Amino acid sequence: QKEVEQDPGPLSVPEGAIVSLNCTYSNSAFQYFMWYRQYSRKGPELLMYTYSSGNKEDGRFTAQVDKSSKYISLFIRDSQPSDSATYLCAMSIPGGSNYKLTFGKGTLLTVNP
Amino acid sequence: GAVVSQHPSRVICKSGTSVKIECRSLDFQATTMFWYRQFPKQSLMLMATSNEGSKATYEQGVEKDKFLINHASLTLSTLTVTSAHPEDSSFYICSARVVAGYGYTFGSGTRLTVV
Repeated sequence: QKEVEQDPGPLSVPEGAIVSLNCTYSNSAFQYFMWYRQYSRKGPELLMYTYSSGNKEDGRFTAQVDKSSKYISLFIRDSQPSDSATYLCAMSIPGGSNYKLTFGKGTLLTVNP
Repeated sequence: GAVVSQHPSRVICKSGTSVKIECRSLDFQATTMFWYRQFPKQSLMLMATSNEGSKATYEQGVEKDKFLINHASLTLSTLTVTSAHPEDSSFYICSARVVAGYGYTFGSGTRLTVV
């Protein structure tokens, strides 16, 4: 079993839809959870960063962490064509192994106008 | 803030030559930098972690003699692909840990093509 599992999609939605992206993980030591957006041939861009369980909202984006289920989600409201990208979840252990990130495979999202 | 500048963005080299990729933290000090490799439609694969002033820590299966990493200052880390071969063609990305916010910021990536 991989440490972080993420459905690679692809996911195609109409403009304005609510998008739900998810990752599950197996290592309960993960405490920091991040979502990155990566456009084709570019470096990943940090969207959301959360610590431990709970919700965090930033504009159209909401990140949720459920540590009891080892499950994290990213919701995108009122999705736009410019949201079309690959979304990567990432997580790390506090103080662990140089704080390196463990990534999911990424989900390719296309928002159709 | 917390910008990492990566150069070059794209490089084509001949088989057998070496290529150097630079990553600079522009507005913060990066004590730890990470180097990743990404194949098309795949996630990021961590190659090595470099700490300023010390030897890099390589992930299992990554040839340290082939992928030379130097982190001589708090703002610059370099990855040199030595004696490059076509199978080394890939997208290489650096990342730095931003201590204050505990976030990680990424460079824009380097597309290496070995012909």
